[in-house]
Amino acid sequence: EDKVVQSPLSLVVHEGDTVTLNCSYEVTNFRSLLWYKQEKKAPTFLFMLTSSGIEKKSGRLSSILDKKELSSILNITATQTGDSAIYLCVGGGSQGNLIFGKGTKLSVKP
Amino acid sequence: GAGVSQTPSNKVTEKGKYVELRCDPISGHTALYWYRQSLGQGPEFLIYFQGTGAADDSGLPNDRFFAVRPEGSVSTLKIQRTERGDSAVYLCASSLTSADTQYFGPGTRLTVL
Repeated sequence: EDKVVQSPLSLVVHEGDTVTLNCSYEVTNFRSLLWYKQEKKAPTFLFMLTSSGIEKKSGRLSSILDKKELSSILNITATQTGDSAIYLCVGGGSQGNLIFGKGTKLSVKP
Repeated sequence: GAGVSQTPSNKVTEKGKYVELRCDPISGHTALYWYRQSLGQGPEFLIYFQGTGAADDSGLPNDRFFAVRPEGSVSTLKIQRTERGDSAVYLCASSLTSADTQYFGPGTRLTVL
């Protein structure tokens, strides 16, 4: 059965800390791994990763995929209170199907 | 369009009633997805449209749930005889094709009393 597992499930840090969120996946006919940030209701897209070992970066956020280990990490440096959200890892199969992890709830304290 | 829109943003109904939730995808996106997200869980896949047809409806929990996309753009998720367990946020997403990134709407929060 396809699944995506994220860890930790929740995390509390202080502003300025660096955090690493983990994701492991088992997806039939895997094609891509996506990270979303969810505040309030709807997730917003962060990264899509298809190639192993190539880091994608956007400001203080970066992510990398390891296809050998079937895993990905999302790094956030110099965290801010606005980074507080649920971060969703999603595995995508070749049929367009998406398998969502349960998310990591990040709380950044001032 | 600017993004995926969903209406209503909130819906409160009574057990046993019928509800319809609407999704307007990004213009030109051929793929449209419905998800349901319960408190503390990641979104759960319900159904995926490619154009007008349901390419995969394996996530619909039972026959009380039905979705249509008659003209390949707007989609409506229909729930008959609602139950308290149907209470959740219903998310819609669209993508240019099934191979592309999905962009999510703001969701509809459904509460069944």
